[in-house]
Amino acid sequence: QKEVEQDPGPLSVPEGAIVSLNCTYSNSAFQYFMWYRQYSRKGPELLMYTYSSGNKEDGRFTAQVDKSSKYISLFIRDSQPSDSATYLCAMMANAGGTSYGKLTFGQGTILTVHP
Amino acid sequence: GAVVSQHPSWVICKSGTSVKIECRSLDFQATTMFWYRQFPKQSLMLMATSNEGSKATYEQGVEKDKFLINHASLTLSTLTVTSAHPEDSSFYICSARDRAGTETQYFGPGTRLLVL
Repeated sequence: QKEVEQDPGPLSVPEGAIVSLNCTYSNSAFQYFMWYRQYSRKGPELLMYTYSSGNKEDGRFTAQVDKSSKYISLFIRDSQPSDSATYLCAMMANAGGTSYGKLTFGQGTILTVHP
Repeated sequence: GAVVSQHPSWVICKSGTSVKIECRSLDFQATTMFWYRQFPKQSLMLMATSNEGSKATYEQGVEKDKFLINHASLTLSTLTVTSAHPEDSSFYICSARDRAGTETQYFGPGTRLLVL
C-alpha cells in the first residue's frame, strides 16, 4: 500500500464547475500538507500549504485537512480552462523524524476544464 | 518571491557523456535542495537530498556514483549525470526549501534530458 493515495483521474469538468481533488494517507507522522499544480513539461507550482488540520482559502482554492481521517482535499471554485493541469498532493513529516524534509507525493490527478 | 531556476531547460547528449544540471534559488537561501526525477505520466521520485556544505543523501536504489550532487553554496546545487545512457533520459526537477520560511519546497522548471 502506498503512503499517499490519489486518484489519477483523468477528471474532465465544464468551465465554471467546482472541482474536488482528494488524497488519503497512512502515515500519521505527516504534519505538513501541500497541493502543487503541474503543467505539462513544467515544474510543480505550489498552490496551497497547510500545517496540521484545518481549512485554508486562497482565491478560488480551498484546502482542507482532516488528520483524524487522514484525508486532504483541494476545492477549485469557478474552474477555468487555464486550471487544466496535473494536481499533486504532497506531505511531509514533522521535525525530528528521519523523513523530515522529504515530500511524499500522490500520483497526481489530471484535470481538464473544457470551455 | 521564492523562485528556483534550472539550467539547462533541455539537453541532448550522446551515450557515455556527462551532463551537469544547475539548480539555483534566486531570491532566497536554501540550506536544503532536493533532486527529483519524473517519467511521463508519473509522479515525482525523490533521488537525493542535498545539504549545503555536506554530502548528499541518496534514496534507496539511486547510484551516488552515477548521479553526483554538489551543494556548494546556499543558492546553488548541481546534479551531474555521469556516463549517461538512454535509460537516464528523463525529466529532472530540483526543489529548494527556504531556510527562513515555511516548510514548503519551491520547484524549478525542470530539465529534460535525452540521451541518444
